[in-house]
Amino acid sequence: AQSVTQLGSHVSVSEGALVLLRCNYSSSVPPYLFWYVQYPNQGLQLLLKYTTGATLVKGINGFEAEFKKSETSFHLTKPSAHMSDAAEYFCAVSVFTNAGKSTFGDGTTLTVKP
Amino acid sequence: GAVVSQHPSWVICKSGTSVKIECRSLDFQATTMFWYRQFPKQSLMLMATSNEGSKATYEQGVEKDKFLINHASLTLSTLTVTSAHPEDSSFYICSAISMTGSSYNSPLHFGNGTRLTVT
Repeated sequence: AQSVTQLGSHVSVSEGALVLLRCNYSSSVPPYLFWYVQYPNQGLQLLLKYTTGATLVKGINGFEAEFKKSETSFHLTKPSAHMSDAAEYFCAVSVFTNAGKSTFGDGTTLTVKP
Repeated sequence: GAVVSQHPSWVICKSGTSVKIECRSLDFQATTMFWYRQFPKQSLMLMATSNEGSKATYEQGVEKDKFLINHASLTLSTLTVTSAHPEDSSFYICSAISMTGSSYNSPLHFGNGTRLTVT
């Protein structure tokens, strides 16, 4: 079984500041990890994913995340926040034996202040 | 990129009626589609996994007779909420996996969701 914990249901940053959204996972097998963004009344859009290989993953819109096995973490970062980054962010984990049945975290609402 | 179209985007219906929601993969074939329910300010709750040509697999606690899922082709899955009640009001989202690549680490392509309000 796998689980995801997103630390902090709400994160507020100023425009231009660093964005850090935290995600820790639990998995009995090597995980595949994803970050999604959701805008109001829309589905989820993939930001980035980690499968194998390089542990620092770059995604769309300037976001990146680093897979740290020793810390069971997959935190999402962006050097400089834009107003358009305000949204709900979900971390998800999928494992080999549960193809496609990702487990989602509870989400983090990112607010960007002008 | 892979596009999943979900229709309608919102629907209001009276209590006791049934509502059908469509999920289509527009530019790829999807052997597997997933249906989720999302309550306000909460995460996605997987309701069922839909495989083309076979019966859907429902998650524990989801009433299969209430939430009818049909996956008749590689590009279309439907969710029918039967005899809807106000407590069924929610945001329903579908997702699909492309046939290309490994299904174990392929990303999910999401529809834009359907806001159902039962009065």
